[in-house]
Amino acid sequence: AQSVTQLGSHVSVSEGALVLLRCNYSSSVPPYLFWYVQYPNQGLQLLLKYTSAATLVKGINGFEAEFKKSETSFHLTKPSAHMSDAAEYFCAVSPLGGGYNKLIFGAGTRLAVHP
Amino acid sequence: GAVVSQHPSWVICKSGTSVKIECRSLDFQATTMFWYRQFPKQSLMLMATSNEGSKATYEQGVEKDKFLINHASLTLSTLTVTSAHPEDSSFYICSARDWLDEQFFGPGTRLTVL
Repeated sequence: AQSVTQLGSHVSVSEGALVLLRCNYSSSVPPYLFWYVQYPNQGLQLLLKYTSAATLVKGINGFEAEFKKSETSFHLTKPSAHMSDAAEYFCAVSPLGGGYNKLIFGAGTRLAVHP
Repeated sequence: GAVVSQHPSWVICKSGTSVKIECRSLDFQATTMFWYRQFPKQSLMLMATSNEGSKATYEQGVEKDKFLINHASLTLSTLTVTSAHPEDSSFYICSARDWLDEQFFGPGTRLTVL
């Protein structure tokens, strides 16, 4: 069964600092991978997705993620954090061949940005 | 991008009553919608997959008689929590899949059962 592990339930950075949110997946074949952001009491917004094309994926709001098959990782980064980036971030996986079917979510990482 | 709405955004009900939550795809047709449940400070857990015109597929451990799902049209799926109890209090989020197989999420419905 596929699963997603997000290392670090809470990450705190200073405004302007690098943001690194970690995500590892387990799968016998490369799946589709996603990063979503959730603001308080809101649904999820797609940041970016990997669908077996380019391994470096650029998303909205300056975020990007790199798919590394050898490390089974899909870490999310942003060069310079902004106060508005404070939110909950979820990594998700979808089985290859099933399109964007069932999404299996990681536990989430809460990002805090300090001035 | 595509928009998915949910109604109501929040609801408070008494224990034993039933609550219906609507999920609508506003500018696209969705043959498949998904219902998720999210407990405070936790991740989303898929409850069921709703397919237009057919019975929903429930995930293991989800009571289909308690969480009734109806997907009567290509733009509307409903989740009815029957005989709600305090332990059903949660944040319910739906998503709709478009023709490109991408999922778009609704803003969620917060259910509080007293």
